[in-house]
Amino acid sequence: EIVMTQSPATLSVSPGERATLSCRASQSVNSNLAWYHQKPGQAPRLLIYGASTRATGVPARFSGSGSGTEFTLTISSLQSEDFAVYYCQQYNAWLGITFGPGTKVDIK
Amino acid sequence: QVQLQESGPGLVKPSETLSLTCTVSGGSSSNYYWTWIRQPPGEGLEWIGYIYYSGTTNYNPSLKSRVTISMGTSKNQFSLKLNSVTTADTAVYYCARVGGTTKFYFDSWGQGTPVTVSS
Repeated sequence: EIVMTQSPATLSVSPGERATLSCRASQSVNSNLAWYHQKPGQAPRLLIYGASTRATGVPARFSGSGSGTEFTLTISSLQSEDFAVYYCQQYNAWLGITFGPGTKVDIK
Repeated sequence: QVQLQESGPGLVKPSETLSLTCTVSGGSSSNYYWTWIRQPPGEGLEWIGYIYYSGTTNYNPSLKSRVTISMGTSKNQFSLKLNSVTTADTAVYYCARVGGTTKFYFDSWGQGTPVTVSS
């Protein structure tokens, strides 16, 4: 099983500031990496797939990068609706599908 | 726009079988993979398994011995059965659509249904 780790566990950011979240895989997943955010009481929402492709309707302030084992999600200017928990997920399917433990982005 | 809705009992007794159904509306189930994911209270996300509309399945190895995912006869529904449940199976259960042909990210989700395992 591929183990996903995320850092930091919590990120405190002021509105308008830039946020950078990291995700690491225990072995290469190529570009088979997705990012989601989840607000309390809601289902996760897909933000990024293929490591860097924004999903339909996702604002341009969200960008993803990386390949292999190291990935980054950047939010260029945090809006109030962006405070949430962010999960990465690898889908190198023949090795299983696993999520990271999440990074909580809260208001500084 | 496709919509998904989970349904099923919110309370299951230990050692019994958890059964949930996901109803898909606003789009066809054909040519897509469909999946179940769960989230224990206060924890992260765990993939349970997926099914292709033709019936091909793949399960999380940690749950494989207890899980069955199947398509409904109407093809706009698919279901989850998890047998021999324990309190560790208490979670919010989500159904979702796989967004890519063989790229297993999840682009549409149901709202989730909470299931408690308790006597």
